[in-house]
Amino acid sequence: DQQVKQNSPSLSVQEGRISILNCDYTNSMFDYFLWYKKYPAEGPTFLISISSIKDKNEDGRFTVFLNKSAKHLSLHIVPSQPGDSAVYFCAASAAQGGSEKLVFGKGTKLTVNP
Amino acid sequence: NAGVMQNPRHLVRRRGQEARLRCSPMKGHSHVYWYRQLPEEGLKFMVYLQKENIIDESGMPKERFSAEFPKEGPSILRIQQVVRGDSAAYFCASSRTGDEQYFGPGTRLTVT
Repeated sequence: DQQVKQNSPSLSVQEGRISILNCDYTNSMFDYFLWYKKYPAEGPTFLISISSIKDKNEDGRFTVFLNKSAKHLSLHIVPSQPGDSAVYFCAASAAQGGSEKLVFGKGTKLTVNP
Repeated sequence: NAGVMQNPRHLVRRRGQEARLRCSPMKGHSHVYWYRQLPEEGLKFMVYLQKENIIDESGMPKERFSAEFPKEGPSILRIQQVVRGDSAAYFCASSRTGDEQYFGPGTRLTVT
């Protein structure tokens, strides 16, 4: 029972273009969403988060959009750079439920080609 | 401000031995989480601790696994009588308020 789904295992984008990574969730109790970036043999690095009371959060080249009715969020990276090549994980938590554990998707491997 | 520290980075154990994984949270963080990542999978929650308390252990296997976060010193994830299926990357994360969690570099456990 996968509560957080990243249906694209991989994505390839040209440098300078927009990267769009998608994530769907099934648990309506989730109220906080995060994106992490991970390089091989390293721990995940926090990128950006969004609370369920918002529909957009922006930080530099990274923007996260949340569509609660569709239970869908996306991460936009613009412009994409070769250094952005990594695995991106979407994660969700139901803090209102009293536990702050994160539920992760399986990740999307982004390759940005020079 | 040092990040989350984990040691060892790599650990090799024979079947039946014990594995101890250590995690020092970021300074000022009192919430610690342990996650496990199997190959080609996302991270799976194991346990959430605050100082001297286990808050949520719903992701911990019922047997052989235990975790603690004592008043002094690092958090410890202990796996007794390891089996090959325990081979994975184990990540520790910490947070101040329970929102953004910051991860350590992980411990890669190999059971031979």
